[in-house]
Amino acid sequence: QVQLVESGGGLVKPGGSLRLSCAASGFTFSDYYMSWIRQAPGKGLEWVSYISSSGSTIYYADSVKGRFTISRDNAKNSLYLQMNSLRAEDTAVYYCARDRGWNSLYGMDVWGQGTTVTVSS
Amino acid sequence: SYVLTQPPSVSVAPGKTARITCGGNNIGSKSVHWYQQKPGQAPVLVIYYDSDRPSGIPERFSGSNSGNTATLTISRVEAGDEADYYCQVWDSSSDHQVFGGGTKLTVL
Repeated sequence: QVQLVESGGGLVKPGGSLRLSCAASGFTFSDYYMSWIRQAPGKGLEWVSYISSSGSTIYYADSVKGRFTISRDNAKNSLYLQMNSLRAEDTAVYYCARDRGWNSLYGMDVWGQGTTVTVSS
Repeated sequence: SYVLTQPPSVSVAPGKTARITCGGNNIGSKSVHWYQQKPGQAPVLVIYYDSDRPSGIPERFSGSNSGNTATLTISRVEAGDEADYYCQVWDSSSDHQVFGGGTKLTVL
């Protein structure tokens, strides 16, 4: 069955780093664009980053550009988000999602269950 | 940057029709997607490409998009439809995904 499973969340101090992973199964991972989306406690959805199927095209939200790095390993069916210089405002549930079509033409049809990142001293 | 505006809340009685709007500058020229999120759960795509339904989504869910407003319509609303709903587009001028602020649908 088609599935995305995130891991790697946790409690980290301001200025610290964390690496999130997203394991894909049940579909040909290398055929799909992927995105990270986050949701702060009690808030709405915020797009974080997007990567093309080959990894050659990458975009970031302004709020994380220069601090976060998205990557993927198609041989391992895995998506990653390296988060550096973390701030309290990065505290959120982080979701990975399968993106359909160039520039999300057909939306994000598969989402993981999310992993929680808490940035606090 | 591109902004999507949704009403914070919409209330509807069971069996009636709910309409949730998503406003954006010339949004009719973009592909709009809608997500449903229930408490403690991940979002679920309910409408994509303005008006298409993924498999498994009831026909009661429909979408439209024209001018500066996209609309998610839920017919014959059920208690189980109570959730937060988000619209989303791709902003090609910034190469960013954009979400609306979300609308809490309450079934009275």
